[in-house]
Amino acid sequence: EDKVVQSPLSLVVHEGDTVTLNCSYEVTNFRSLLWYKQEKKAPTFLFMLTSSGIEKKSGRLSSILDKKELFSILNITATQTGDSAIYLCAGSSWNQGGKLIFGQGTELSVKP
Amino acid sequence: EAQVTQNPRYLITVTGKKLTVTCSQNMNHEYMSWYRQDPGLGLRQIYYSMNVEVTDKGDVPEGYKVSRKEKRNFPLILESPSPNQTSLYFCASSDRVLNEQYFGPGTRLTVT
Repeated sequence: EDKVVQSPLSLVVHEGDTVTLNCSYEVTNFRSLLWYKQEKKAPTFLFMLTSSGIEKKSGRLSSILDKKELFSILNITATQTGDSAIYLCAGSSWNQGGKLIFGQGTELSVKP
Repeated sequence: EAQVTQNPRYLITVTGKKLTVTCSQNMNHEYMSWYRQDPGLGLRQIYYSMNVEVTDKGDVPEGYKVSRKEKRNFPLILESPSPNQTSLYFCASSDRVLNEQYFGPGTRLTVT
């Protein structure tokens, strides 16, 4: 059965800290790994990584995909209170059309 | 503006009273999905559609129906809602090539 597991489930840091969020996946006929940020509303898209694009960066956020070990990390440097959110990792498969298999999410809280 | 819209945003209803949650996207996306989000269980796919008149079950389809008569619309139908369908529902869409799913604002449903 396909699954995606995230760790830690929750994390509290102070502004300016660097955080690393983890995501491991087992997805049959793997297509891509996606990261989303969810505040008190709908998830918003951050990154998509595929077997042919294994590192992405946008401002203070970056993500890598290790396709051999089947995991991804999301790094946030110089955290700000606005980074407080739930971060969701999801895997998609070529077998299942648009279906995403989500992890449980990591709840990040950034204290001033 | 590219977006996914859902209506209603909030709904309180009683057991057994049929309801429909509408979803519409203006990005000409082929793929559309419905998810429900519950505390401790994360986001789980209910149904998905890979194109007009093509739909398939996700992980938790029981008690739900969908239809895809037009490319832009993907309504979720609860024929006889029950309290265990109280949840936060998200519609999402993506194109076939990139599969970066974009989420609607969510519908919070309470069934008493």
